[in-house]
Amino acid sequence: DQQVKQNSPSLSVQEGRISILNCDYTNSMFDYFLWYKKYPAEGPTFLISISSIKDKNEDGRFTVFLNKSAKHLSLHIVPSQPGDSAVYFCAASGNFGNEKLTFGTGTRLTIIP
Amino acid sequence: DAGITQSPRHKVTETGTPVTLRCHQTENHRYMYWYRQDPGHGLRLIHYSYGVKDTDKGEVSDGYSVSRSKTEDFLLTLESATSSQTSVYFCAIRWERGGLTQYFGPGTRLTVL
Repeated sequence: DQQVKQNSPSLSVQEGRISILNCDYTNSMFDYFLWYKKYPAEGPTFLISISSIKDKNEDGRFTVFLNKSAKHLSLHIVPSQPGDSAVYFCAASGNFGNEKLTFGTGTRLTIIP
Repeated sequence: DAGITQSPRHKVTETGTPVTLRCHQTENHRYMYWYRQDPGHGLRLIHYSYGVKDTDKGEVSDGYSVSRSKTEDFLLTLESATSSQTSVYFCAIRWERGGLTQYFGPGTRLTVL
């Protein structure tokens, strides 16, 4: 049972345009969400997070939006740069007493120069 | 840089042999995690630790055991490796005062022939 879903395995975007990566979740107990970026042969690196008490969090070119009623979050990257080409994972956690993260399957973003 | 190293970085072994992967951290973090990453599955939690000698199972713990005899080292053991355990293994730490964000090591690529 995949509780965190990234339905687009891949996405290609022109350099300078906006990249939008989507993530859906099914467990209404999740209240904290994170995005990680992963380059080949490296570990995932933390990008940005959002708590369920907010609906938007911004950090430079990266903005995460949370729609709790739809159980949906998205990551916007503006403007997209070639170095943004990577696999992006969303992850979720809840107040279950163990702070474990549940990850989506990832979206491979390719920025076209 | 969360001060995490993993060893070995690459390993090829044969079915039925025992394998131990090591995660080492230098910053005295209490929480440590082992994940595996496979195509189509994202990152899945194998085991985690919330202190020396305190460990618990994740969602894919069958066939794996862990030990944490000192704060800085978290060992993952495959008692008798199988081909289904061919994967990339990541260790992660969580800062106690850093919320729910986890920080990952560089990974170990394990191939079981």
